[in-house]
Amino acid sequence: DGGITQSPKYLFRKEGQNVTLSCEQNLNHDAMYWYRQDPGQGLRLIYYSQIVNDFQKGDIAEGYSVSREKKESFPLTVTSAQKNPTAFYLCASRSGQGRANEQFFGPGTRLTVL
Amino acid sequence: KQEVTQIPAALSVPEGENLVLNCSFTDSAIYNLQWFRQDPGKGLTSLLLIQSSQREQTSGRLNASLDKSSGRSTLYIAASQPGDSATYLCAVFTGANNLFFGTGTRLTVIP
Repeated sequence: DGGITQSPKYLFRKEGQNVTLSCEQNLNHDAMYWYRQDPGQGLRLIYYSQIVNDFQKGDIAEGYSVSREKKESFPLTVTSAQKNPTAFYLCASRSGQGRANEQFFGPGTRLTVL
Repeated sequence: KQEVTQIPAALSVPEGENLVLNCSFTDSAIYNLQWFRQDPGKGLTSLLLIQSSQREQTSGRLNASLDKSSGRSTLYIAASQPGDSATYLCAVFTGANNLFFGTGTRLTVIP
């Protein structure tokens, strides 16, 4: 099956800890994205990567970090500097920047800070 | 900056009814518009993508239209079923780095 997987599905973190959310895709897509979703708000872009070894900050990158060492993987680290990390995190991928290209999403990770 | 609005925020309809969900955007310079479905606690499922040069797309009971010049799109759902209950999101792609999302319409189809 082709698609995007995210793990874990649920994640609990103590204040002051860093945690890493996994995102893997086997769609051979070049571009990958991380979004944050909060109740009553639209999705907000955290980071994106258009090619391996390159990534760019989105609208709310503070307190987050990413890496893109492999085409199929784009892990997100939520650092202790992120003041309000409790949210639903969604990873997505797109095959390119062309007009016809759809964006596909993974199942999400719900992060709760205890 | 591109802003995407979806009205209404919530909608309840009886089973079997046809319905229309609305999406508007402020900047008509888009590459495409995508409609998604999201079930509670789940990721987004892509329903339809309309390229900027197209007027509509159909998939089964779903039909999406696009009027780029007026900054509007509609998602028409025919013969609604309880399984259609979900949040529907529209998003516009402006190239490079981002998909701009609306906050969604939460649809409930009552059996």
